[in-house]
Amino acid sequence: GAVVSQHPSRVICKSGTSVKIECRSLDFQATTMFWYRQFPKQSLMLMATSNEGSKATYEQGVEKDKFLINHASLTLSTLTVTSAHPEDSSFYICSASKESPTYGYTFGSGTRLTVV
Amino acid sequence: QKEVEQNSGPLSVPEGAIASLNCTYSDRGSQSFFWYRQYSGKSPELIMFIYSNGDKEDGRFTAQLNKASQYVSLLIRDSQPSDSATYLCAVIGTGGFKTIFGAGTRLFVKA
Repeated sequence: GAVVSQHPSRVICKSGTSVKIECRSLDFQATTMFWYRQFPKQSLMLMATSNEGSKATYEQGVEKDKFLINHASLTLSTLTVTSAHPEDSSFYICSASKESPTYGYTFGSGTRLTVV
Repeated sequence: QKEVEQNSGPLSVPEGAIASLNCTYSDRGSQSFFWYRQYSGKSPELIMFIYSNGDKEDGRFTAQLNKASQYVSLLIRDSQPSDSATYLCAVIGTGGFKTIFGAGTRLFVKA
């Protein structure tokens, strides 16, 4: 089956610092990956679509300069939260599809970010 | 109007009963429909996908799709306490690319 690995699973950082989250497709190549954010008891909100070899496509209201996405290879996408603030504390999840998107996506295990 | 709507619940059913989860969507051009299960503190996992009108069964799970009514449902037969989770309805809309999630329905199965 399709396996998506996400690292780290938890991170605590100080306000003003930057945090990088990695998302890897382990057994398939993913030209497209998606980054979501989920606040407690809320649904997943799509932040951006990560495209291998090109710029990410950000959803309305998501600051591209704050949430830097790099998809340098077919198996790795990274999300960097720059100058993090407490309001950025959330559960960040990536996803990718091994086959056609019509068969659904596999999610990474998620990263719990706490900014203190 | 939200693009994908679900009753937030919680829905509480006794062990062994049938749990019925419902979802409506606004984009009539939507082609693919999914049910994901998310345990507290974990990421979602795909349970089923459906893209044709009618029923699709997989073990204890049955997904039902009615495109005319823009309605998707998930039935869980012989519910178990381990089924207690939040169930997310998701839709790939017109354009066939981005997945839009509903807010999820919390299900509690009482032993």
